[in-house]
Amino acid sequence: GAVVSQHPSRVICKSGTSVKIECRSLDFQATTMFWYRQFPKQSLMLMATSNEGSKATYEQGVEKDKFLINHASLTLSTLTVTSAHPEDSSFYICSASRSGIDYEQYFGPGTRLTVT
Amino acid sequence: KQEVTQIPAALSVPEGENLVLNCSFTDSAIYNLQWFRQDPGKGLTSLLLIQSSQREQTSGRLNASLDKSSGRSTLYIAASQPGDSATYLCAVRRNAGNMLTFGGGTRLMVKP
Repeated sequence: GAVVSQHPSRVICKSGTSVKIECRSLDFQATTMFWYRQFPKQSLMLMATSNEGSKATYEQGVEKDKFLINHASLTLSTLTVTSAHPEDSSFYICSASRSGIDYEQYFGPGTRLTVT
Repeated sequence: KQEVTQIPAALSVPEGENLVLNCSFTDSAIYNLQWFRQDPGKGLTSLLLIQSSQREQTSGRLNASLDKSSGRSTLYIAASQPGDSATYLCAVRRNAGNMLTFGGGTRLMVKP
């Protein structure tokens, strides 16, 4: 159990376009989903936390108008990178957490975004 | 603000060696600590989760210890194998909410 998927696994887009990444919890209801960004040979940096039905909470330094997060259901959250630029190229990983005493986060396989 | 540091940043050992990866954190008010494995270009695989009230957790050749008062955790890997080559990340969860703060990771290479 506790499987999280991401789609797409890889995406290449041109500078100025928008890209949507999906994060799904396949076998549990995720009240909270997290979006991380990871640059090469660096650790995961939390971008934002989203609770189902609420606006996302962004970490300091993350532009909320550039990285649009929607968590419309208990199994799906989306991250849209708007007007992407080459510096947005990175590995984006989501995680999902269900309610209850065990709040462990379960991580998706990641999405490699390359902006040309 | 919680800061998590992992030492060493990279480690190369011959197959069969026992090794220790270190993780330290600045704020001891944690809910739990988790060790993950990440293969290149992949997501995270949870290895061990230690609750704040626990001292250690074991899974196969892996043993993780936690000394909350001193802000330290270690991941011990026994009889290392080439398949253990990966990046190992530790992350701490604070008491309130369920956010994780990650360390920078240790890139492990086990040579045949």
